[in-house]
Amino acid sequence: GAVVSQHPSWVICKSGTSVKIECRSLDFQATTMFWYRQFPKQSLMLMATSNEGSKATYEQGVEKDKFLINHASLTLSTLTVTSAHPEDSSFYICTLSRQRGPSPLHFGNGTRLTVT
Amino acid sequence: QKEVEQNSGPLSVPEGAIASLNCTYSDRGSQSFFWYRQYSGKSPELIMSIYSNGDKEDGRFTAQLNKASQYVSLLIRDSQPSDSATYLCAVNRGSSNTGKLIFGQGTTLQVKP
Repeated sequence: GAVVSQHPSWVICKSGTSVKIECRSLDFQATTMFWYRQFPKQSLMLMATSNEGSKATYEQGVEKDKFLINHASLTLSTLTVTSAHPEDSSFYICTLSRQRGPSPLHFGNGTRLTVT
Repeated sequence: QKEVEQNSGPLSVPEGAIASLNCTYSDRGSQSFFWYRQYSGKSPELIMSIYSNGDKEDGRFTAQLNKASQYVSLLIRDSQPSDSATYLCAVNRGSSNTGKLIFGQGTTLQVKP
């Protein structure tokens, strides 16, 4: 069954507005979740690592003030795209790993963001 | 050099044939390797994981890993039209499991009936 629930599955917003994406771990207390982004016909790129109870760790080139991550509980991480612009239009996917040590990531269904 | 490289394809095979997907990686310290399948507009789903040199079989899928050559492949036997998708090779960055996967650009597979 599903391990990760992501909401909304798609959203259209106007330029300059903010959008919040939720990622929930359904059956596992995830201290760490990961946010990826995928532009059309490109591969997935890691944006940031979400750590429960502490600040997120951002990958090089990702603006932490634009992509706000909150991981307030062991089952919920949120990504807020602030002051969205058309170039932020992308497929945003959260993931988590269910166990320590080498293990695959379980992906949420993703959120298709379109900024007009 | 990209950290994880795949031929973008498309790779076209007839139904029932074997599809061979290849991936090379640059970080010799990588220890975990994964193949994901992604249908258009959907999130990736895990097909195979492999951590040791050699072959690992799961149904119609076989993953092959050669750390000396920094090469990992996926074979799909008896290919079906429903296998048509983009296959992403993913490698764990470095030797520790941080959950930080580096993805290749993906190979598009087309299985023709």
